[in-house]
Amino acid sequence: GQNIDQPTEMTATEGAIVQINCTYQTSGFNGLFWYQQHAGEAPTFLSYNVLDGLEEKGRFSSFLSRSKGYSYLLLKELQMKDSASYLCAVKPNAGNNRKLIWGLGTSLAVNP
Amino acid sequence: DADVTQTPRNRITKTGKRIMLECSQTKGHDRMYWYRQDPGLGLRLIYYSFDVKDINKGEISDGYSVSRQAQAKFSLSLESAIPNQTALYFCATASGVRETQYFGPGTRLLVL
Repeated sequence: GQNIDQPTEMTATEGAIVQINCTYQTSGFNGLFWYQQHAGEAPTFLSYNVLDGLEEKGRFSSFLSRSKGYSYLLLKELQMKDSASYLCAVKPNAGNNRKLIWGLGTSLAVNP
Repeated sequence: DADVTQTPRNRITKTGKRIMLECSQTKGHDRMYWYRQDPGLGLRLIYYSFDVKDINKGEISDGYSVSRQAQAKFSLSLESAIPNQTALYFCATASGVRETQYFGPGTRLLVL
């Protein structure tokens, strides 16, 4: 089967750094996405990794290790507005069967 | 103006009624998707379409049907609504090699 695992909930303090992990077991790999979703709102795209290594984009960075089936999202200088759910999604296949496999999301609470 | 729009944003209906949720996009993307999101179950794919003549079932298509009226429009119908179809419904679009998905604002549906 195909599976993505993320912690259900995390808590962090304003101004701190938090790392949200994602592990996946899929039939193939053609890219990994991170999305942010505030309560009751639509998911919004944060980052995409297809090669091993770290992708940095402002306060957010995403890391991928394909050999380990592992990714993490790193959030620096946390702000209250970062309180949201963070979704990891993998595109396992190229070609016409290009559906994403979604994790259940990690709910992050940022406290003052 | 939003690139992906959904109507209605909120809907209350009764068991057995037929309803249609509409999605329009101005992004020029060829791929469109319908998801539902339930607490604890994450995003689940209902139907997806890679172009006007291509419609595919997702993991939970029973009780739903879709119509791709044009490249920019993708409608989801519930032929006879039932209470367990109460959920938050999202439309998404994608294109290109990376196929990043961009989501509409969602429709909150309550079936009584």
